[in-house]
Amino acid sequence: AAGVIQSPRHLIKEKRETATLKCYPIPRHDTVYWYQQGPGQDPQFLISFYEKMQSDKGSIPDRFSAQQFSDYHSELNMSSLELGDSALYFCASSLVAGYSFFTDTQYFGPGTRLTVL
Amino acid sequence: AQKITQTQPGMFVQEKEAVTLDCTYDTSDQSYGLFWYKQPSSGEMIFLIYQGSYDEQNATEGRYSLNFQKARKSANLVISASQLGDSAMYFCAMREGLGASYGKLTFGQGTILTVHP
Repeated sequence: AAGVIQSPRHLIKEKRETATLKCYPIPRHDTVYWYQQGPGQDPQFLISFYEKMQSDKGSIPDRFSAQQFSDYHSELNMSSLELGDSALYFCASSLVAGYSFFTDTQYFGPGTRLTVL
Repeated sequence: AQKITQTQPGMFVQEKEAVTLDCTYDTSDQSYGLFWYKQPSSGEMIFLIYQGSYDEQNATEGRYSLNFQKARKSANLVISASQLGDSAMYFCAMREGLGASYGKLTFGQGTILTVHP
């Protein structure tokens, strides 16, 4: 079965540089979520999109922005990178079952490991 | 306040034995979902099992079952017949009902499970 695809899998950047992470959800999934997992930490929600509209926003820095495109893929853009941005970034996708946002399962991609030097 | 609490930083189990990983949650919503994910050392997040707040039966998926005690707000994961490949970090996560949040997952701190041969 098709899974969530994330690219690149690994990314090394210098401080103050920019980075773009891409996510391709499972076909026919209409919702995309982004999470950040720091070393030894649990994943923290950043932002989500439902049908290409931003649906929720978490602890995402103003330096970060994201969007979902017409083909449902999503990109997370990160500018003015800081050392503390080094983390594993997950994209997850789900198919919202009508009104039951809380029942649909989020399937995670393999993650993009970002290292900021 | 912590919404998801996993009190066991690490657990050990002998191969072929059963193990229970604890998870308690805190929510005032009536509608919510509880999830367990497995994160091997390679980093990916693998969905294991889901329990809805209105589900009267405990969820089961192969060797995984969820011991759901709503009054106690606990959703413990039971892994039967442990295998060496079960060694990983396990996260309990919750999605609360509709409202301002459209489905973000809140994770616990995780439990590292080590299966001994």
